[in-house]
Amino acid sequence: AQSVTQLGSHVSVSEGALVLLRCNYSSSVPPYLFWYVQYPNQGLQLLLKYTTGATLVKGINGFEAEFKKSETSFHLTKPSAHMSDAAEYFCAVSSAQAGTALIFGKGTTLSVSS
Amino acid sequence: KAGVTQTPRYLIKTRGQQVTLSCSPISGHRSVSWYQQTPGQGLQFLFEYFSETQRNKGNFPGRFSGRQFSNSRSEMNVSTLELGDSALYLCASSSTPGTGPNEQFFGPGTRLTVL
Repeated sequence: AQSVTQLGSHVSVSEGALVLLRCNYSSSVPPYLFWYVQYPNQGLQLLLKYTTGATLVKGINGFEAEFKKSETSFHLTKPSAHMSDAAEYFCAVSSAQAGTALIFGKGTTLSVSS
Repeated sequence: KAGVTQTPRYLIKTRGQQVTLSCSPISGHRSVSWYQQTPGQGLQFLFEYFSETQRNKGNFPGRFSGRQFSNSRSEMNVSTLELGDSALYLCASSSTPGTGPNEQFFGPGTRLTVL
């Protein structure tokens, strides 16, 4: 079975500081990994995804994530936080081999202070 | 290109009633997935339809059902509502099955409150 663990339900950073949101996954087959962002009263928007190939993935709004198979991790980073980055972030896993649809982590709320 | 639309956006029902939610996917998308989002359980997969066939089902009771029409629009139904069914119900569409690598595009959700 597949699962996702997001470490830290709340993360607070100052504007301009590094953003690091942690995600660890469990999968017995090669996973597809995703990061989604949700703003209040809105649906989810894809930030980036890893399917195959390059392990460092760049996404929208300056975010990137690195797939580390040995650590079963897919942490999300951004060098410099903006106030507009304040939102809830979800890591998710799926697998064509396992036939599983998106399985989400519990989410991490990012707060950005000025 | 229009995004995923969900109707209604807000619903208030009482226990024991039933409810039907609607989702119109992005034009050309044949996969529609439904998710329930609650503060306690987070985002949980309900089911996925692809070309009118249910391909995948999450761990929810039989009170939760869905269907997909030939134009790819989908509806989900919850019968005999319980207080715990209060949630944001999100619909997502994709051009390929939801188990694949392609992005799923989410709608804004339907906020269901059960009194």
